Amino acid sequence: GNSVTQMEGPVTLSEEAFLTINCTYTATGYPSLFWYVQYPGEGLQLLLKATKADDKGSNKGFEATYRKETTSFHLEKGSVQVSDSAVYFCALSDPGGGNKLTFGTGTQLKVEL
Amino acid sequence: KAGVTQTPRYLIKTRGQQVTLSCSPISGHRSVSWYQQTPGQGLQFLFEYFSETQRNKGNFPGRFSGRQFSNSRSEMNVSTLELGDSALYLCASSLSQGKGEQFFGPGTRLTVL
Repeated sequence: GNSVTQMEGPVTLSEEAFLTINCTYTATGYPSLFWYVQYPGEGLQLLLKATKADDKGSNKGFEATYRKETTSFHLEKGSVQVSDSAVYFCALSDPGGGNKLTFGTGTQLKVEL
Repeated sequence: KAGVTQTPRYLIKTRGQQVTLSCSPISGHRSVSWYQQTPGQGLQFLFEYFSETQRNKGNFPGRFSGRQFSNSRSEMNVSTLELGDSALYLCASSLSQGKGEQFFGPGTRLTVL
């Protein structure tokens, strides 16, 4: 079946540090890949997405590239802010065409001054 | 455009009772999916509805059921509640089936005592 593996958290960084959160996946077919973010007490917000190999998704300074050869979709940001503190989830869509998402376990990011 | 709304936001029930949660998708969206989020199991897919038909179902017991109405609003029902059903239940809507992005509501926090 489909699965997503994310690096364990929490990740603690100083403001303006570089961020990488690793994500690898296993899937049959060609899923779309997503990063969602969850702030305390809220639902999930879509951060970025990529629908095919070599696509780069980007939003609010965050980037991730769909790497089919390494089955990865690592999230990066060049300079994090305190306001980026949240839990980040990597997810993949159902390659069969439905809307089912398979999520990773989430990585908590804490950014300190 | 209004986002996905879920009611109620918080719910406390006792074991053995049943509960109904409601989700109103973004206007024009026809697909609604439900997810359960717990600290131990993470985000797990419950089911997806599109045009009033269940299109996909996750690995949950038959106590978990749902439906979708002609206006795309959806409800999920959990009967004979167990302590382990305590979770954040998230609803997501999408314009159609396929690789499109999904928009999540704030969730309903269910506590079973």
